[in-house]
Amino acid sequence: QLVLTQSPSASASLGASVKLTCTLSSGHSSYAIAWHQQQPEKGPRYLMKLNSDGSHSKGDGIPDRFSGSSSGAERYLTISSLQSEDEADYYCQTWGTGINWVFGGGTKLTVL
Amino acid sequence: EVQLVESGGGLVQPGGSLRLSCAASGFTFSSYWMHWVRQAPGKGLVWVSRINSDGSSTSYADSVKGRFTISRDNAKNTLYLQMNSLRAEDTAVYYCARGMVLFDYWGQGTLVTVSS
Repeated sequence: QLVLTQSPSASASLGASVKLTCTLSSGHSSYAIAWHQQQPEKGPRYLMKLNSDGSHSKGDGIPDRFSGSSSGAERYLTISSLQSEDEADYYCQTWGTGINWVFGGGTKLTVL
Repeated sequence: EVQLVESGGGLVQPGGSLRLSCAASGFTFSSYWMHWVRQAPGKGLVWVSRINSDGSSTSYADSVKGRFTISRDNAKNTLYLQMNSLRAEDTAVYYCARGMVLFDYWGQGTLVTVSS
């Protein structure tokens, strides 16, 4: 079964960097994922597609402060130079034939 | 500019029906798969349903199969979700999203509350 696992919460200081993790379940380490951001009381926003080799393609208007990387079954979202508006929930998402579309549980990022 | 605007949400009694709409603009609607994704209060995102670009193929999450129907009108650039036999656990904000394998644009959502 394809499952995406995310830590429920993370925090970092204004101006610092933070690295969020999304872990693919066993047998699915080659899957690409997407990262989405959801600010409070807003709809989600697509950030990027992240491949298993760490290559990524960002959505329209996504700042360079957002980047992605991969290692084995782990997919990372790094946000540098944290700003107050980065305080949001971050979801990873993937897809597969016969599996349909799956989301991680989300990570709530607090900017201190 | 790509825009997706949902409407049709509201308060409905258990067992009732509701039809959601998603008006699309800023892109060639008929070229894209479309999805519905929902989010229960305080919870995460859950995929609900998808439809291919010409409407000939659909799929559903097990939790809504047989109760919900996704459809589209490419002449009107509009996506629909017909929801029947609604249950309390269907209470959520419903988002439409564009894309085949990943969702590159989202709407702002419409709230559906199922309660007596």
